[in-house]
Amino acid sequence: QSVLTQPPSVSGAPGQRVTISCTGSSSNIGAGYDVHWYQQIPGTAPQLLIYANTKRPSGVPDRFSGSKSATSASLAITGLQADDEADYYCQSYDSSLSGLWVFGGGTKLTVL
Amino acid sequence: QVQLVQSGAEVKKPGASVKLSCKGSGYTFYAYNIHWVRQAPGQRLEWMGWINAGNGDTKYSQRFQDRVTITRDTSASSAYMAVSSLRPEDTAVYYCAITYYYDGINYYDDPLDIWGHGTMVTVSS
Repeated sequence: QSVLTQPPSVSGAPGQRVTISCTGSSSNIGAGYDVHWYQQIPGTAPQLLIYANTKRPSGVPDRFSGSKSATSASLAITGLQADDEADYYCQSYDSSLSGLWVFGGGTKLTVL
Repeated sequence: QVQLVQSGAEVKKPGASVKLSCKGSGYTFYAYNIHWVRQAPGQRLEWMGWINAGNGDTKYSQRFQDRVTITRDTSASSAYMAVSSLRPEDTAVYYCAITYYYDGINYYDDPLDIWGHGTMVTVSS
């Protein structure tokens, strides 16, 4: 069971907007630790998509955006494209005994 | 360019140990912490531990701290992770990763922005 909870799957048609939630607790997101998002194409290593809650690494389109509030965070993708189909993971730091760097369970995005 | 090159696939029997390597290039090896993350087939990413490549200090996930040892050899620009008492459920791709471009204000806010290609470890009798 993941410390950070994500929906197992989301879907949307090309051009639409989708959001992926990441729910944590007072020992991670709620404690003020940053949330990062990764995109993973099956069979490849994860790639950083959003860091420090809202920032985009160089080369990431502005169709991708992140937000954070209280004990949760969200990733929004606008103008969905076929090659956005991938798994998306949130990650933060957890100050409890369970672990330090923690990942969400991952969300499979399907572009219809 | 900055990259992490990992060792090749391994096949082990239950109860055996494995030692994986991660060689950094294109950057000052000892200046960056190296994390290890694993992913079982069809499963989520799971953080295992990290090493300060400068002083060798380590931190482990409580879930793995009894079976995992992370070391480094600065002369070889390489980090290593040994996993003992392997079980079939340890079958996974094991990644190493660093924060190179996008440091947080504090180490605990560092994202992982450079990843190795992963090493597949299969545990089967």
